[in-house]
Amino acid sequence: AQKITQTQPGMFVQEKEAVTLDCTYDTSDPSYGLFWYKQPSSGEMIFLIYQGSYDQQNATEGRYSLNFQKARKSANLVISASQLGDSAMYFCAMRDWGTGNQFYFGTGTSLTVIP
Amino acid sequence: EAQVTQNPRYLITVTGKKLTVTCSQNMNHEYMSWYRQDPGLGLRQIYYSMNVEVTDKGDVPEGYKVSRKEKRNFPLILESPSPNQTSLYFCASRLLLRPQETQYFGPGTRLLVL
Repeated sequence: AQKITQTQPGMFVQEKEAVTLDCTYDTSDPSYGLFWYKQPSSGEMIFLIYQGSYDQQNATEGRYSLNFQKARKSANLVISASQLGDSAMYFCAMRDWGTGNQFYFGTGTSLTVIP
Repeated sequence: EAQVTQNPRYLITVTGKKLTVTCSQNMNHEYMSWYRQDPGLGLRQIYYSMNVEVTDKGDVPEGYKVSRKEKRNFPLILESPSPNQTSLYFCASRLLLRPQETQYFGPGTRLLVL
């Protein structure tokens, strides 16, 4: 069964607008962590933001915020004030403590920022 | 500079010719892992290691071997590569006892098996 689902293969957003990238996850373990990564065309993986399952508040890092809805098992990434440099692939990932140290990635969303 | 290095960055080989992709980290991380990235499939974990001489299979271990003889190094070995192993490979590491901390990724190795 898919542990992480990203249903948007591609997204477009106008420069300076906000965009939400969807991520749902599947785990029966109460302890887990959710991560978002950015992969520009150059290929490197850049860590953006982390949300722990017991964190009371949604995580924020600069223009990135995570809309964490635990009951719905969703962890959407919100990018505010999009910039041209935000054009990239974005991956949602999860580590649940129940499976030990395995790490699960979604299939990614390709974001294009339009000038 | 804290980093994960991989070599080679690009490799073209032929079916059946054994190859090794090296991975090294200088952050004293216990945990190291290998992933492959394929279009439409995201990243999938091949093998991981929680410390020296401790390795475990990920989701797609078939056709790969790993070893962890030293803490800093975690090579990925393809004994008899096949075209379906053409992919982008990432090595990653992190501190084992800080689960909230991200993994640090290497720059990736693009492998083409003819």
